[in-house]
Amino acid sequence: DQQVKQNSPSLSVQEGRISILNCDYTNSMFDYFLWYKKYPAEGPTFLISISSIKDKNEDGRFTVFLNKSAKHLSLHIVPSQPGDSAVYFCAAGATGANSKLTFGKGITLSVRP
Amino acid sequence: GAGVSQTPSNKVTEKGKYVELRCDPISGHTALYWYRQSLGQGPEFLIYFQGTGAADDSGLPNDRFFAVRPEGSVSTLKIQRTERGDSAMYLCASSRGEQETQYFGPGTRLLVL
Repeated sequence: DQQVKQNSPSLSVQEGRISILNCDYTNSMFDYFLWYKKYPAEGPTFLISISSIKDKNEDGRFTVFLNKSAKHLSLHIVPSQPGDSAVYFCAAGATGANSKLTFGKGITLSVRP
Repeated sequence: GAGVSQTPSNKVTEKGKYVELRCDPISGHTALYWYRQSLGQGPEFLIYFQGTGAADDSGLPNDRFFAVRPEGSVSTLKIQRTERGDSAMYLCASSRGEQETQYFGPGTRLLVL
C-alpha cells in the first residue's frame, strides 16, 4: 500500500506559467516532507522541505503548501522554466521513528518553451 | 564541497554472481542511507547507518543483501547470488545527522542478466 501518492504521472505547462505538483499521504505519523527533482542519469536533488508545524515554505520560485487535515501537499513553481523539466518526487518522514524517507512514484514535469 | 559519490556508475553482472556497490558520503555526514529505485517507481528505503552501525535495516529485501560502514564514512552494499529482479538503480544518500536533509549520489545502475 502506497503511503505517499503522486497520482498524476505527468504534467505539461507553458514556460512562464505556474506548475502545481500534488502529493497525498496516508500515514498520520509523517511530520516532515521534502520535494526532490531528478534529471535522467542523475540522483535526486533536494529542492525544498516543510515541517508539519508550518503550512507553507517558500524558496525563490518554489513554494510548498501543506494541508495536514487533508494529508495533502503541493509544490508550486512560478514562473516555470524549461530547465525545470524533470521528474519530481515527494517524500515523507516521521520524527522519532527512524530517518528513512518514503517516496511517491514521481511526476514528470515538462515545461514548453 | 564534494557531494555524495557512488561507484561504479553502471554494473552488469550475471545471475548468481556477487556484487559490491560503493558509496562515499559528504565529508562530516554521520548518517548514510541506501535506497533502491526500480523503473517507474520512487526510491525505496533499504538501510540506514548512524556512524558505523546499521540503525535500521528493515528495508533489505532478504538475506542476500548486506551493507557495511566499518569506519563511519564509506559504505558498501553487497548483494550475493544476484537475481534478475535485483536489477535497479541503487541510490546512496547522506545527511549531517538523523532527520536532517538527505543528499543523494548519482546512483549505481545494476543490471543482472
